[in-house]
Amino acid sequence: EDKVVQSPLSLVVHEGDTVTLNCSYEVTNFRSLLWYKQEKKAPTFLFMLTSSGIEKKSGRLSSILDKKELSSILNITATQTGDSAIYLCAVERGYGGATNKLIFGTGTLLAVQP
Amino acid sequence: DGGITQSPKYLFRKEGQNVTLSCEQNLNHDAMYWYRQDPGQGLRLIYYSQIVNDFQKGDIAEGYSVSREKKESFPLTVTSAQKNPTAFYLCASSTSRRGDWGYTFGSGTRLTVV
Repeated sequence: EDKVVQSPLSLVVHEGDTVTLNCSYEVTNFRSLLWYKQEKKAPTFLFMLTSSGIEKKSGRLSSILDKKELSSILNITATQTGDSAIYLCAVERGYGGATNKLIFGTGTLLAVQP
Repeated sequence: DGGITQSPKYLFRKEGQNVTLSCEQNLNHDAMYWYRQDPGQGLRLIYYSQIVNDFQKGDIAEGYSVSREKKESFPLTVTSAQKNPTAFYLCASSTSRRGDWGYTFGSGTRLTVV
């Protein structure tokens, strides 16, 4: 059975701290791994990692895919209160052809205190 | 602006009632999806549709029904057979063309049984 597991489930840090969120997966026919940030409603896209693009960076956020270990990390440096959100990891599984379905983890709830 | 519109934002259902959640997109995306999110859990796939007049069950389809009569619209009906429908429902769409892949989410509908 396909599985995406995120850890920790929740995390409280202070502004300025660096955090690392983890995502591990067991998914048949892996295509890509995605990170989303969900504040109040719709998740917003952060990164997509594939075999040809295993490391991505945008400002204070960066992510690495380890295909050997079947895992990914999302790093946030110099955290701000605006980083408080649920961070979702999702893995795209291939079913052949153009089908693409995402399998989501449970999410990590990050709270950044002033 | 292109995007996905979900309505209503909040919905209250009495026991034994069917309710329908609306999802409309003007992104010209081929594929559309319905996810359910419960507290402490990630997104779980209810139904998805790759083309008009075709849809497939996801992981938790029991008690739900969908239709895809138009490319832009993918309504979800929560039937009385769904025993625990209180949750946050997210609709998403994506293009099915490889190399041009991306998910867009709606803002969600929060359904509460009263």
